Amino acid sequence: DGGITQSPKYLFRKEGQNVTLSCEQNLNHDAMYWYRQDPGQGLRLIYYSQIVNDFQKGDIAEGYSVSREKKESFPLTVTSAQKNPTAFYLCASSWASTNTGELFFGEGSRLTVL
Amino acid sequence: AQKITQTQPGMFVQEKEAVTLDCTYDTSDPSYGLFWYKQPSSGEMIFLIYQGSYDQQNATEGRYSLNFQKARKSANLVISASQLGDSAMYFCAMSATSGGSYIPTFGRGTSLIVHP
Repeated sequence: DGGITQSPKYLFRKEGQNVTLSCEQNLNHDAMYWYRQDPGQGLRLIYYSQIVNDFQKGDIAEGYSVSREKKESFPLTVTSAQKNPTAFYLCASSWASTNTGELFFGEGSRLTVL
Repeated sequence: AQKITQTQPGMFVQEKEAVTLDCTYDTSDPSYGLFWYKQPSSGEMIFLIYQGSYDQQNATEGRYSLNFQKARKSANLVISASQLGDSAMYFCAMSATSGGSYIPTFGRGTSLIVHP
């Protein structure tokens, strides 16, 4: 079955540690996105990538980093520079950036900083 | 800059009744897409319906319809015959150009509770 797989589903981190959230898709989509969701804030774009080896910052990229070495994979690293990393993180993908294609989402990763 | 506004933090509806969830948007791009997603308590995001800016007719998908009023820049979601399983967060989103790319932008969401 085609889809997007995010892991881990739950993650606990101590302050000062970097953590990496995995996102893999087998939909052959070109575009991939990372969103952060906080209660009452909706989804805010962290990073997006439209093609392998290229990515752009979204609205809240500070304290995060990504890579896109393979079409299928778009991991997100939450660095120690992110001041308030506790949140629900959603990875999504779509066909090449258009205004007609819906996003396909993973099940999300919930990060808690202890 | 693109902006999506959902002014209803929470809505309540009786089972089998219809409900309208409001969404207004702002963009200077003449070509854009409007989307609605549902997020149950499990957290997954489910695509519901799409409306293109050049579409003449309102989009419909089963019990979902999108009331598209272009001049007013509104894209309200209408759910007919509400079911208990419709209780969830609902997000309006728009895909319009930003720096040459189509970037999806989301509203803050509306929490819908369906009463038996």
